[in-house]
Amino acid sequence: ETGVTQTPRHLVMGMTNKKSLKCEQHLGHNAMYWYKQSAKKPLELMFVYNFKEQTENNSVPSRFSPECPNSSHLFLHLHTLQPEDSALYLCASSSGTSGREGETQYFGPGTRLLVL
Amino acid sequence: AQTVTQSQPEMSVQEAETVTLSCTYDTSENNYYLFWYKQPPSRQMILVIRQEAYKQQNATENRFSVNFQKAAKSFSLKISDSQLGDTAMYFCAYDNYGQNFVFGPGTRLSVLP
Repeated sequence: ETGVTQTPRHLVMGMTNKKSLKCEQHLGHNAMYWYKQSAKKPLELMFVYNFKEQTENNSVPSRFSPECPNSSHLFLHLHTLQPEDSALYLCASSSGTSGREGETQYFGPGTRLLVL
Repeated sequence: AQTVTQSQPEMSVQEAETVTLSCTYDTSENNYYLFWYKQPPSRQMILVIRQEAYKQQNATENRFSVNFQKAAKSFSLKISDSQLGDTAMYFCAYDNYGQNFVFGPGTRLSVLP
């Protein structure tokens, strides 16, 4: 148990559906991250939040919409996804106290998403 | 842009033996951090070891140690006395003081009984 939880663990959705992924960290951290892990590609950083403010958006399509209502919770809202968006979506957190430089990230178990 | 390369997609090692996973990276920065993360079949990724580039001494964490060659931009992970529980995907990662966080493609390690 790393203190970072993600729900749901598995999700199947159609291309016209709207769904949300949830991440919660119980570590008192201030920085949270969304990653996409595809089968054949390196782990891709999608979004970074530090003290609830989005600090990075790595050219992610607008069909992915993050939300960070507080330092403990991070959501990823999904709409009109494509089959190529099927992947494991990992959430992570770090302390955020040093501007996140060099900080160890603690990962959740991930949400396995399948888009049909 | 920074890149991280892991040239060994898959490796295997006999239990109790030693194995080394390679990682190279490309950067023009002088100060940065390097990590090895482990992702077991359960999919929960955890930190194995961490190295600050300004430190010449190689990081060590129990059976895990690194060989950090800054000039060569190499950061290999050595696992001694391999155990069945070490079976996992291993990701090398680079962190440029919060500006970029890049993972390598991973190496799948199988520890054989």
